[in-house]
Amino acid sequence: QSALTQPRSVSGSPGQSVTISCTGTSSGAGGYYYVSWYQQHPGKAPKLLIYDVNRRPSGVPDRFSGSKSGATASLTISGLQAEDEADYYCCSYAGSFFGPGTEVTVL
Amino acid sequence: EVQLLDAGGGLVQPGGSLRLSCAASGFTFTNFAMSWVRQAPGKGLEWVSSIDLSGINGYYADSVRGRFIISRDNSENTVYLEMHGLRAEDTAIYYCAKETGGTTWGGRDYWGQGTLVTVSS
Repeated sequence: QSALTQPRSVSGSPGQSVTISCTGTSSGAGGYYYVSWYQQHPGKAPKLLIYDVNRRPSGVPDRFSGSKSGATASLTISGLQAEDEADYYCCSYAGSFFGPGTEVTVL
Repeated sequence: EVQLLDAGGGLVQPGGSLRLSCAASGFTFTNFAMSWVRQAPGKGLEWVSSIDLSGINGYYADSVRGRFIISRDNSENTVYLEMHGLRAEDTAIYYCAKETGGTTWGGRDYWGQGTLVTVSS
């Protein structure tokens, strides 16, 4: 069974950088190769921030960046802003698994 | 402008059926795979099903395989999710999502507003 693990929560002050990790725990369907990241504000649909590990869709600020090393992918938010307070989900294994989500709090 | 309009949710009794639809516009529908993702109240995102460009191949999460059927009508730019044998644990907001390409390997770059399915007696 494939699974993705994320920290339950991370926090930072405005202007700081925070990093959210996403670790793949098996080599399930499609393998842990292509990772995407989503931001979700309460009551809203998810928004794609990063796909193919480190590609940003048009319109997503370059404050958001993705990387991957081995079995762990990371989303870094640089220059944290109040509007970045939301839940963040990673997704992999050919899009068939989401991580449990990380709540980002801006102090 | 890309738009995905989810519809068809509602209250259904356990064991019942429901069909969700997602009307797409603003992009060449036949060039992209499509998916359904759900979110139970207060919980995280769960992939439900995806369908390829032609509509021939559907893919399902273990939790819904054998009960749900995904399909698409490329002439109407619409994707459907037929849900049968509904259970209380299927209660969730169901989102339609467009993939970034012809497979589900990339990411889901546009999402519908979601439609709420409540399974309860």
